Amino acid sequence: GAGVSQSPSNKVTEKGKDVELRCDPISGHTALYWYRQSLGQGLEFLIYFQGNSAPDKSGLPSDRFSAERTGGSVSTLTIQRTQQEDSAVYLCASSRSGGRQETQYFGPGTRLLVL
Amino acid sequence: QKEVEQDPGPLSVPEGAIVSLNCTYSNSAFQYFMWYRQYSRKGPELLMYTYSSGNKEDGRFTAQVDKSSKYISLFIRDSQPSDSATYLCAMSAQGAQKLVFGQGTRLTINP
Repeated sequence: GAGVSQSPSNKVTEKGKDVELRCDPISGHTALYWYRQSLGQGLEFLIYFQGNSAPDKSGLPSDRFSAERTGGSVSTLTIQRTQQEDSAVYLCASSRSGGRQETQYFGPGTRLLVL
Repeated sequence: QKEVEQDPGPLSVPEGAIVSLNCTYSNSAFQYFMWYRQYSRKGPELLMYTYSSGNKEDGRFTAQVDKSSKYISLFIRDSQPSDSATYLCAMSAQGAQKLVFGQGTRLTINP
């Protein structure tokens, strides 16, 4: 595709519910990243996928957060038992091969509001 | 203390002014320095990229890195209303894939 796409654009959920956020990276990009952007916090790294390698999950804030990448393309970020502090914009980015300091291209994000 | 500190602003300047945006950092392992621009309700887009210390110029934009002071800057000359956005600095260490971002500075250029 022309760029990184994310769905849904906006998600409102109730505390305690599970949510799934989807990311479609740029076609041919093998590296995929998830970040979270909260008010006053900037962007925080969550998780990184590169090809068939084990993902770098070092940024996931708790075990309620998980992500998978099927077939080396589409990725889903799942948040279980959502809390109000999970409200944020969740951004996905991709790069060509995750090589040395390649440009990361960001999607428009999913705005999550937990009531 | 955060690894990367950036004044969130907001910063408001008249059209045509020179804008200076800055970040400081604490991790001496950072080698790659970037500036991203983010328009409202959009994802960040890469504006400038610098490796190690030095200056880099691209049109009206100049990025400076001073590793001895752990300080990076972005200068915008002849600022335009279309430059109004949030500017985020980002950096990473050699071999690291994740980017560490500053909080972002919200900039408004007034016509």
